[in-house]
Amino acid sequence: ETAVFQTPNYHVTQVGNEVSFNCKQTLGHDTMYWYKQDSKKLLKIMFSYNNKQLIVNETVPRRFSPQSSDKAHLNLRIKSVEPEDSAVYLCASSYGNANTEVFFGKGTRLTVV
Amino acid sequence: QQNVQQSPESLIVPEGARTSLNCTFSDSASQYFWWYRQHSGKAPKALMSIFSNGEKEEGRFTIHLNKASLHFSLHIRDSQPSDSALYLCAVSGGSALGRLHFGAGTQLIVIP
Repeated sequence: ETAVFQTPNYHVTQVGNEVSFNCKQTLGHDTMYWYKQDSKKLLKIMFSYNNKQLIVNETVPRRFSPQSSDKAHLNLRIKSVEPEDSAVYLCASSYGNANTEVFFGKGTRLTVV
Repeated sequence: QQNVQQSPESLIVPEGARTSLNCTFSDSASQYFWWYRQHSGKAPKALMSIFSNGEKEEGRFTIHLNKASLHFSLHIRDSQPSDSALYLCAVSGGSALGRLHFGAGTQLIVIP
């Protein structure tokens, strides 16, 4: 049963546009993440947030900026998208400890034309 | 920097076969080892995890960990068509803390 909700499911946009993706978790977790899954299905972590505070930015281009209003929400904004940004963006959450399960949303598929 | 590698990239097996998926990692300080399963168009979901050397069995699934060899594996007994999915191994702990570092995945197809 889904407890990490992402919107939209799909988004098609042109190079140079700005896009925003939303994520909400109802699990009571204090840590949220954004992962990028490329066309080869490789999942790479982009950002880690703990209780609204950025913990890690995994060498992501500056046009990507996460935004958190509270510990249950973590949005992702991309300014001036580029073709290589086409991917599935997966939001996730956990209790933050390395031995606890990370729960994922279904993802937002971004296509940049 | 953690480097997680999976093999094979893809696997096609008949229903009822035993399937083995492999994962190697580079950071010897890694502490926790996971297998996630992602059906097409769905969210990845944790299947099994292991935190100490040895073997752990849950139903048809068994996970092996050998930290000294920087290797862990997933074995599926009596594979079913419903097992068809992308299997992702992941590592956490050590310098990565709670963040998961994934391999590129093994696409498993079980043919009825």
